[in-house]
Amino acid sequence: AQKITQTQPGMFVQEKEAVTLDCTYDTSDPSYGLFWYKQPSSGEMIFLIYQGSYDQQNATEGRYSLNFQKARKSANLVISASQLGDSAMYFCAMREEETSYDKVIFGPGTSLSVIP
Amino acid sequence: GAVVSQHPSRVICKSGTSVKIECRSLDFQATTMFWYRQFPKQSLMLMATSNEGSKATYEQGVEKDKFLINHASLTLSTLTVTSAHPEDSSFYICSARKTDVDEQYFGPGTRLTVT
Repeated sequence: AQKITQTQPGMFVQEKEAVTLDCTYDTSDPSYGLFWYKQPSSGEMIFLIYQGSYDQQNATEGRYSLNFQKARKSANLVISASQLGDSAMYFCAMREEETSYDKVIFGPGTSLSVIP
Repeated sequence: GAVVSQHPSRVICKSGTSVKIECRSLDFQATTMFWYRQFPKQSLMLMATSNEGSKATYEQGVEKDKFLINHASLTLSTLTVTSAHPEDSSFYICSARKTDVDEQYFGPGTRLTVT
């Protein structure tokens, strides 16, 4: 069964606008972490933001914020004030702390294109 | 910071030969490293978990005799693709977690092309 779902294969956003990339996950582990990574065409994986399952507040890192809704098992990434350099693949990922020995599993990804 | 390097960044080899890819944590010790494979326009698929001083743990469907993993020290893990075939052509990425830090650090990846 798919543990991480990203329902948007491709997204477009106007430069300077905000965009939300969806991510839902499935786990029975009470302790887990959620990540978002950016992968530009160069292939490197760039860490954006992390949310722990026990964190009370939504994570924020600069222009990135994570809309964490635990009951719905969703962890959407919000990018504010989009820039042309934000065009890339974005992957949501999860680490199950108790059952998966630190393995990070990735979703299928969303391709984001920022339009000038 | 925490830096993970991979070598080589690109390699082309002939079918039937073996290729070794190195993954190093440059400024921290990593008892566990992970190897991923990524085909074009697809996500990263975890292949195996590499543990220092012990045998690697492979994900279902990954041939352990074809993808040999050695974690010889706390800063080095190697992936050897044995008897490579064109279908093994892919982007191979390693990652490592620093103790007591949430973030997973990724290497820059190795693009393998088997002709």
